[in-house]
Amino acid sequence: QVQLQESGPGLVKPSETLSLSCSVSAGFIRSYYWNWIRQAPGKGLEWIGYIHFSGNTNYNPSLKSRVTMSLDPSKSQFSLKLNSVTAADTAVYFCARALSSGWYYFDLWGQGTLVTVSS
Amino acid sequence: EIVMTQSPATLSVSPGERVTLSCRASRTINYNLAWYQQKPGQAPSLLIYGASTRVTGVPARFSGSGSGTGFTLTISSLQSEDSAVYYCQQYDNWPPLTFGGGTRVEIK
Repeated sequence: QVQLQESGPGLVKPSETLSLSCSVSAGFIRSYYWNWIRQAPGKGLEWIGYIHFSGNTNYNPSLKSRVTMSLDPSKSQFSLKLNSVTAADTAVYFCARALSSGWYYFDLWGQGTLVTVSS
Repeated sequence: EIVMTQSPATLSVSPGERVTLSCRASRTINYNLAWYQQKPGQAPSLLIYGASTRVTGVPARFSGSGSGTGFTLTISSLQSEDSAVYYCQQYDNWPPLTFGGGTRVEIK
């Protein structure tokens, strides 16, 4: 059964870069669309973007200038970098899978990891 | 950007009662809508996609309907384990993919 697991620092200083990874079990990373979604404390869900195994990416326009996603098939991982963070980037970050570009909903999620931006 | 608006923000319902949650899109999204359930401290879980197709394993008391700009998630007989926040998400016109603000369902 495929599982997703986020990892990375729980505390990042303002103006620095947030870096997270998501491990994909069972070798399924060569298919599907791999996403990052975040949820500020007590708030709703915000889609950050996706990366496909082909290398194609698509980012939320509101974050596009600060986001980079990458994928490492050898490690069965994909990653998120968000630079120039502020307190507004404090959130639980989820990795999630979408099955296809036409039916773009999220059928599998990681448990989420809280990232706090603070000095 | 398509804005998704959910109502009400909070609902307090007795077990066994019928629950109706609303999700409205700022412009037509055809049937390209999903519903998620999120319990405290957990990731969201997909309930419904294509506006009305229930995910395998989701209880039959959950149903989705609607098209265009107006959608509904119905819980036919609320159970205690249904206490959660429910989100809708459109995938018709993106980026960005957008979610509604959520409806919290509480058990009386």
